[in-house]
Amino acid sequence: SQQGEEDPQALSIQEGENATMNCSYKTSINNLQWYRQNSGRGLVHLILIRSNEREKHSGRLRVTLDTSKKSSSLLITASRAADTASYFCATFTGGGNKLTFGTGTQLKVEL
Amino acid sequence: EAGVVQSPRYKIIEKKQPVAFWCNPISGHNTLYWYLQNLGQGPELLIRYENEEAVDDSQLPKDRFSAERLKGVDSTLKIQPAELGDSAVYLCASSPRRGNTGELFFGEGSRLTVL
Repeated sequence: SQQGEEDPQALSIQEGENATMNCSYKTSINNLQWYRQNSGRGLVHLILIRSNEREKHSGRLRVTLDTSKKSSSLLITASRAADTASYFCATFTGGGNKLTFGTGTQLKVEL
Repeated sequence: EAGVVQSPRYKIIEKKQPVAFWCNPISGHNTLYWYLQNLGQGPELLIRYENEEAVDDSQLPKDRFSAERLKGVDSTLKIQPAELGDSAVYLCASSPRRGNTGELFFGEGSRLTVL
């Protein structure tokens, strides 16, 4: 079963623009993570934000977390064609050592 | 450092045939996961191992799916017999130890097509 949903399902932007993806989830979490998946490849970990954090940055990535609304957003600034991929949020519930993925956002960055 | 290795990358079989997927996790990673990913969806957990013990197999369809992780290193996921609905990507992942932050390292996946 999927823990949450991502919005939008698909996003198409021009190179240089910012891309924002949102994730909503259902249960209490220890942390929330974002992964990228290029077509036909495995998932790659991008960034992790703990439940007591509200914002985190890594390079061109900015993640926010609102535990009261059970939601997170991933912002990719100054996007590049190489950012074209599917992006998944995943919630970690430490008790079961379980990572549960959302449904994903398909990002296309056009030249 | 070598990543998670899976084989085969692609497999096409007739329905009712058996199929097996193999995974070699990152050296030293005690926790191993098998995920199922349908087209356009996020991965869904099938089974999680801590060393050689299956600690969460609640989502594994045990009538046709089986898995093993002998000696707590490599793992094999088997489907017998395969059905049309089993067509999907089977992802293996590993993580360093119990109680970690949950960051997973994924293999490239095994894409199964059942005809």
